[in-house]
This record gives sequence, structure tokens and C-alpha cells, in this order.
Amino acid sequence: DTAVSQTPKYLVTQMGNDKSIKCEQNLGHDTMYWYKQDSKKFLKIMFSYNNKELIINETVPNRFSPKSPDKAHLNLHINSLELGDSAVYFCASSPGIPAGAPQHFGDGTRLSIL
Amino acid sequence: AQSVTQLGSHVSVSEGALVLLRCNYSSSVPPYLFWYVQYPNQGLQLLLKYTTGATLVKGINGFEAEFKKSETSFHLTKPSAHMSDAAEYFCAVSRNDMRFGAGTRLTVKP
Repeated sequence: DTAVSQTPKYLVTQMGNDKSIKCEQNLGHDTMYWYKQDSKKFLKIMFSYNNKELIINETVPNRFSPKSPDKAHLNLHINSLELGDSAVYFCASSPGIPAGAPQHFGDGTRLSIL
Repeated sequence: AQSVTQLGSHVSVSEGALVLLRCNYSSSVPPYLFWYVQYPNQGLQLLLKYTTGATLVKGINGFEAEFKKSETSFHLTKPSAHMSDAAEYFCAVSRNDMRFGAGTRLTVKP
């Protein structure tokens, strides 16, 4: 039973398309995150939600829109995909905002833009 | 503001040799520090963390790290490398949010 699960695992699509990535956690955590990992393995936070409320929104293009229908789910919708969006996107969760809580990561969604 | 710097994007050791991965942090308040490991095509897994208390922290797979406030460091060590340790390792600092270092790729030679 996977703690943080993302779908799909691979996503290959054309420039200009709109796509969504889904994330679900069964750990009972209050906080969920989206990260982008580029080809050099650099990991950058994009968004963070706590109990369905947005608490971190880094400088991400507004083509990216997170949605949290409940605290166990945090989906990422991307409009008008660009070549530079090619990356691995990771979902993560943690028990809450307290800083000492480690984050649990999904296995990632590898997005390739043709 | 908080940040971490991992010295060396790539470290190569022989099987059985000491592993030392370096991490220095910058934080205006006492930090919480973490080491994560990422195997190919997988997400990050927590190796160990420092919050408060004992400065020598033991983690999974025989890894440990020591918090040294005077040196603002949190280096990761393992006495004897195993082939299965080959992976990408990330140091992270957390207070209001978590900031990751650029990662260090560990290669283990037979």
C-alpha cells in the first residue's frame, strides 16, 4: 500500500496541450506539496497546501494550477505546456506545517514535452 | 532565509570505503536538517533528520550525520560503502518550508 501515489508515472504530450497529474496520500497528513525536479536533479518547491488551503506558492507560471479537493489529494493542472515544462514532478506530504516533520514523497511523474 | 550547499555534485568511492557527503547550511534560526536518498526512477526517501537533542543522528542503512553548529555543517557518513548505496543524496533545511541542496551523486566502484 503506497503512502503517496501519483498518476500517471509517465506523461508524453505535445507542446500547447493541457494535462493533469493526480496525487493521493493515505498517511492522514495535513500538508501536501508539489516539487519540480529538472534534468540536473535540482529540486524546487512549487506549491504547498495545508488542509486544502494554499500556503506556499513559489514563482511558478500561472499556467500551473494546483487543486486540493480534500486534504488527501493535491492535483496539478498545467495549461499550454511548453518545452521547459519537461521535468519530473514529485508530490509529497507531511504531518503538518511544523518544520521538524519529514516529507514523504511519491515516485514522481516524468513529463516529456515533444 | 535558509539554504543548503552540498559540496561536490559527484562523489565516487570503492566498495567498503568510507562515505562522506558534505552539507553546509545557512539559517537565521536553529535549523531542522534532513538527508534524503533518491534511487533511480524513485522519489526521495528520508535517511535521517536532526531536530533537537543529540547532535549525532543515526539513520537507516548504516548512515549517520553530525550537526555541528559552529561549522554550520551536517555531513553524512557511512563507514563502509555498499554497491546498493549508489544513488543521489539530498541535504535539506527546514523551518517554514523545506529547501533542498543541489544533490550529490554517489557512485560505488566494485
